[in-house]
Amino acid sequence: KNEVEQSPQNLTAQEGEFITINCSYSVGISALHWLQQHPGGGIVSLFMLSSGKKKHGRLIATINIQEKHSSLHITASHPRDSAVYICAVRSGSGAGSYQLTFGKGTKLSVIP
Amino acid sequence: GEEVAQTPKHLVRGEGQKAKLYCAPIKGHSYVFWYQQVLKNEFKFLISFQNENVFDETGMPKERFSAKCLPNSPCSLEIQATKLEDSAVYFCASSHSDTQYFGPGTRLTVL
Repeated sequence: KNEVEQSPQNLTAQEGEFITINCSYSVGISALHWLQQHPGGGIVSLFMLSSGKKKHGRLIATINIQEKHSSLHITASHPRDSAVYICAVRSGSGAGSYQLTFGKGTKLSVIP
Repeated sequence: GEEVAQTPKHLVRGEGQKAKLYCAPIKGHSYVFWYQQVLKNEFKFLISFQNENVFDETGMPKERFSAKCLPNSPCSLEIQATKLEDSAVYFCASSHSDTQYFGPGTRLTVL
């Protein structure tokens, strides 16, 4: 069973700061997801990574398969980025492996 | 539709009562997943479907939980004889490849 660890658990930042959230996992995976859960509970899928790096606006996600580690970066953070960020991994390949194992999330608060 | 729809938004049941939750996946998505989120940040996989076939049910407490995805109907997750520890938000997600799209969730409160 894959163990997914996120750090930090809680993060408070000033508006404009560069933010990094880390995720490590114990067993090799086929894909890693970064999800954003808003204070109201809704979940948005931000990225799905199997290698390298992806960028979307102010968000950047990287993954190092050898080190079993991924990072989510937010540049020029804004109060609307305040949310819980969750790392989730998919082990194995093929349709039968689509279930996700989740980290416990990082609660980000960006202060104006 | 273009979004995963879940009903009801909130459900309150007395301990021992039955609870039934519904999920309409995005049109064209052949995979449906159910997840349970307890205490806001602890997600647990319950079951997945490929079309109407159960694909993986390793997370289901089988003695009280059951789920179906029938053609031309919303998928459903049913809990017989609910217990206090079933109180959680139940999320449904659908996908056609790698990215899973999540519904807004159903908050189940068992009193």
